[in-house]
Amino acid sequence: EDQVTQSPEALRLQEGESSSLNCSYTVSGLRGLFWYRQDPGKGPEFLFTLYSAGEEKEKERLKATLTKKESFLHITAPKPEDSATYLCARGIREKLTFGTGTRLTIIP
Amino acid sequence: GAGVSQSPSNKVTEKGKDVELRCDPISGHTALYWYRQSLGQGLEFLIYFQGNSAPDKSGLPSDRFSAERTGGSVSTLTIQRTQQEDSAVYLCASSPTGMNTEAFFGQGTRLTVV
Repeated sequence: EDQVTQSPEALRLQEGESSSLNCSYTVSGLRGLFWYRQDPGKGPEFLFTLYSAGEEKEKERLKATLTKKESFLHITAPKPEDSATYLCARGIREKLTFGTGTRLTIIP
Repeated sequence: GAGVSQSPSNKVTEKGKDVELRCDPISGHTALYWYRQSLGQGLEFLIYFQGNSAPDKSGLPSDRFSAERTGGSVSTLTIQRTQQEDSAVYLCASSPTGMNTEAFFGQGTRLTVV
């Protein structure tokens, strides 16, 4: 069964306090690990795709990394505008299987 | 427009009525996906189109749900005899080729069945 598990479910950080979000998944048939950001009332916004262990990608204060069984989304010196739900998804065959997300709140 | 467009943005319907939800994908994207997001839940896969064909309908919850895509472009998701448990946000996404390239989502249709 396809499984994508994200932790923690919710995370509150002070502005400037760095942290990491975790996404673990079942390995077989992995065809890409995806990170999305979702703001309330909006559809998910694409952030990153990672395909192989050891791969890293960065965008502003976010960096995504991938190992054989998990991915991390590192957020460095976050700002209040980084508050959102962060979703990860694995590609399997032709569809994406999503985790339930981490709700990130950055406190000014 | 440049992005995925969904209509209506909000729909309130009475239990037992049929509803149609529309998705206009990004021009040139061959792959189109429908997902459902219930309050506090993750995104639930419904159906995938490659062109006008639907090779994967495995996520449709019941035979009350159907979808079609015409001209390799616009897609319609139809829910017949709506039930209260159908209340959710229905999200459409498109990607250039499928094959697990990044998918771009619309803003969703919030369906409320009363």
